[in-house]
Amino acid sequence: GNSVTQMEGPVTLSEEAFLTINCTYTATGYPSLFWYVQYPGEGLQLLLKATKADDKGSNKGFEATYRKETTSFHLEKGSVQVSDSAVYFCALSEGVNYGGSQGNLIFGKGTKLSVKP
Amino acid sequence: GAGVSQSPSNKVTEKGKDVELRCDPISGHTALYWYRQSLGQGLEFLIYFQGNSAPDKSGLPSDRFSAERTGGSVSTLTIQRTQQEDSAVYLCASSMRQGELAGNTIYFGEGSWLTVV
Repeated sequence: GNSVTQMEGPVTLSEEAFLTINCTYTATGYPSLFWYVQYPGEGLQLLLKATKADDKGSNKGFEATYRKETTSFHLEKGSVQVSDSAVYFCALSEGVNYGGSQGNLIFGKGTKLSVKP
Repeated sequence: GAGVSQSPSNKVTEKGKDVELRCDPISGHTALYWYRQSLGQGLEFLIYFQGNSAPDKSGLPSDRFSAERTGGSVSTLTIQRTQQEDSAVYLCASSMRQGELAGNTIYFGEGSWLTVV
């Protein structure tokens, strides 16, 4: 079945450090890939997404490239800030490329990021 | 409202009691989802409603869990005879069904924190 595996946290970085959170997936079809973020005390928010191979999603300085050959969607940011401290979830959905709604999302277990000043 | 609204935000209940959690999706969104976020378990899909179609109940963990969506809008997730392992954050989300070129984003509520004692 479909699944998402992401690196376990917590990840602790100093401000302005480079961030990578690894995410790999297993899917039977052609999924869309997502990164969601959950800031402390807030609901889950879509951070970025990519719907086909080689697409790059980007938002707020974060980016991730859909790599079909390695079944990966690693999240990167060149210089993290304290305000980036949150839990990050990688997810996939097979719905979009099958001509309709997103269907249900399959999430990784989340990676907690703490950025120290 | 502007976003997905869930109530109650926090609920403490005694083992064996029934609980109802409510979700009010974004106006006009035809798709509605319930997820469960347990400590150390990540996000788990529970059930998905799309318009007037039969719901996808494949994620419900037991027959103590049920959900309904009245009038294609508000949804209620019911947990009967609650157990301690039901303690989790229950997240509701909604999306507007669109074609793949238009994209489709799932918007999450802030969740209902359930504690079974």
